[in-house]
Amino acid sequence: QVQLVESGGGVVQPGRSLRLSCAASGFTFSSHGIHWVRQAPGKGLEWVAVISFDGSKRYYADSVKGRFTIARDNSKNTVYLEMNSLRPEDTAVYYCAKGDSGWFGDWGQGTLVIVSS
Amino acid sequence: EIAVTQSPATLSVSPGERATFSCGASQSVSSNLAWYQQRPGQAPRLLIYATTTRATGIPARFSGSGSGTEFTLTISSLQSEDFAVYYCQQYKTWPWTFGQGTKVEIK
Repeated sequence: QVQLVESGGGVVQPGRSLRLSCAASGFTFSSHGIHWVRQAPGKGLEWVAVISFDGSKRYYADSVKGRFTIARDNSKNTVYLEMNSLRPEDTAVYYCAKGDSGWFGDWGQGTLVIVSS
Repeated sequence: EIAVTQSPATLSVSPGERATFSCGASQSVSSNLAWYQQRPGQAPRLLIYATTTRATGIPARFSGSGSGTEFTLTISSLQSEDFAVYYCQQYKTWPWTFGQGTKVEIK
């Protein structure tokens, strides 16, 4: 079955960087787009970024554009989210999710990022 | 950006009762709307996509309706495992956006 496992979260100071990973299994990874969606503590869901199946297309939410970069390595079945210039408002659980048609059919369990001094 | 609004914020329902909640979009999203359930401490789970299509394994007591800017999720007879937060999401126009959620609590 589809499995998505996020890692790389932790506590980081404002202005610093962090890289999240999403390891996928149970499906043909190189045929599917992957998204990052985040959820601040006690808040709702916010779509963050998407990368197409071959990495040729990438889109970002305005709130992270210019600071976050999404990438993938199809040989490792892994998607990455490089987060730079982190701000306290980036504190959230970050989920990766599989989706090609607009909705998110499969989600990982999430990884918590805390941006605090 | 299309704004998505859900109401009510909290719904108190007794087990076995019917629950209905709403999702509105600031402009037409056609039928490009999905619903998710999130239980405490868990990732969201897809319930419905394309407004009315249940995802694999979702019980028939969940149903969706609507089009354009007004949508509804109905749970015909609430079970104990249905007490959770429900989110709608539009995927008509980038960026995809979510509503703020409706919490279904035990009455």
